Amino acid sequence: GENVEQHPSTLSVQEGDSAVIKCTYSDSASNYFPWYKQELGKRPQLIIDIRSNVGEKKDQRIAVTLNKTAKHFSLHITETQPEDSAVYFCAASIESDYKLSFGAGTTVTVRA
Amino acid sequence: NAGVTQTPKFQVLKTGQSMTLQCAQDMNHNSMYWYRQDPGMGLRLIYYSASEGTTDKGEVPNGYNVSRLNKREFSLRLESAAPSQTSVYFCASGKPGRGISHNEQFFGPGTRLTVL
Repeated sequence: GENVEQHPSTLSVQEGDSAVIKCTYSDSASNYFPWYKQELGKRPQLIIDIRSNVGEKKDQRIAVTLNKTAKHFSLHITETQPEDSAVYFCAASIESDYKLSFGAGTTVTVRA
Repeated sequence: NAGVTQTPKFQVLKTGQSMTLQCAQDMNHNSMYWYRQDPGMGLRLIYYSASEGTTDKGEVPNGYNVSRLNKREFSLRLESAAPSQTSVYFCASGKPGRGISHNEQFFGPGTRLTVL
């Protein structure tokens, strides 16, 4: 099955700086890559996703890049703010398979 | 729309006791899922149901059973709870149909279970 690895496990950044989280996947058939954000004590929620026919996608201060050849994708958060502090999960999926395989998560702390 | 709801929010069991976690969604999704979340291990799939009437094992199914009661409801049962099942359990549902353009999942608020 699909194996998703996520790095780093923790990330501390100064407010206003950028944060980058990287994930690799094993199954070359995977074609959907979402990112979920989980605030403390809350449920995971989708923040951005990318499909295999796109190399980069941006939504305000967050962006995701995908390198299918290398089988890795990354989340970029620019101009970080205290409300960006959360656990972020990457995931990978084969469209027809219904299931998502999640990375272990990255705890991001934004220092004021 | 309530989205995905779960009951109970918290539960404490003794080793060997049984219980059922309830999940319901009102978004007319075909697919439903049960995950457990443990520190440093992300979200691991226990069981899922691609459509009403079907269930399949996920990554960590041992010690659990599920029932897809109807399109809205998907329950998770622990027959004989063990301390290793102490975790936060999330139910999720996904957008309908095979051939969908993506597999976005919507999560419930979670159940925090402690087994003593």
